[in-house]
Amino acid sequence: GEDVEQSLFLSVREGDSSVINCTYTDSSSTYLYWYKQEPGAGLQLLTYIFSNMDMKQDQRLTVLLNKKDKHLSLRIADTQTGDSAIYFCAESSNSGGYQKVTFGTGTKLQVIP
Amino acid sequence: KAGVTQTPRYLIKTRGQQVTLSCSPISGHRSVSWYQQTPGQGLQFLFEYFSETQRNKGNFPGRFSGRQFSNSRSEMNVSTLELGDSALYLCASSPTRLGTEAFFGQGTRLTVV
Repeated sequence: GEDVEQSLFLSVREGDSSVINCTYTDSSSTYLYWYKQEPGAGLQLLTYIFSNMDMKQDQRLTVLLNKKDKHLSLRIADTQTGDSAIYFCAESSNSGGYQKVTFGTGTKLQVIP
Repeated sequence: KAGVTQTPRYLIKTRGQQVTLSCSPISGHRSVSWYQQTPGQGLQFLFEYFSETQRNKGNFPGRFSGRQFSNSRSEMNVSTLELGDSALYLCASSPTRLGTEAFFGQGTRLTVV
């Protein structure tokens, strides 16, 4: 079955770069996503990458995908206190015409001023 | 463009009651997926609707059901509520059913007492 794994916690100093890692098992993934969830809020789509891409950059965010190792990472440059949140990695796959999204457990990012 | 709207935002129900949650997707999006988020189980996929038909279903009991209307708005119903159904229920909207980017609503926080 599908499985998405993330480390549970990451602490960085304000201004440093943060790197959040994720591994997945479904080789038929079509899209991989990074979502941000702040306390008491829903999910916010940060960025996504199509499975045939290696890298995507969007302002302070850089997504790297190693499809061979099924490893996805999110780099946040110049991390700010407002970046403190839980970050979810997710993958979607199309199985028999159905869309299914599987989430990781989430990584709690703590930014120290 | 308006985002995904979920109503109500908060709900308190008693064990044994039933509840209906509503989700209005982004205009033009035809796929609506529902997810349950709890501290213990994380984010879990409930089901996906596309063109008024349920296309995929996660591993939840039959007490959890849904439907989608011709305008793509979706409702989720939970019957015979249990304490363990207390969770944040998230709805996601996608343009198509083939694993494209999903946009989430703020969620409905259901508390069963």
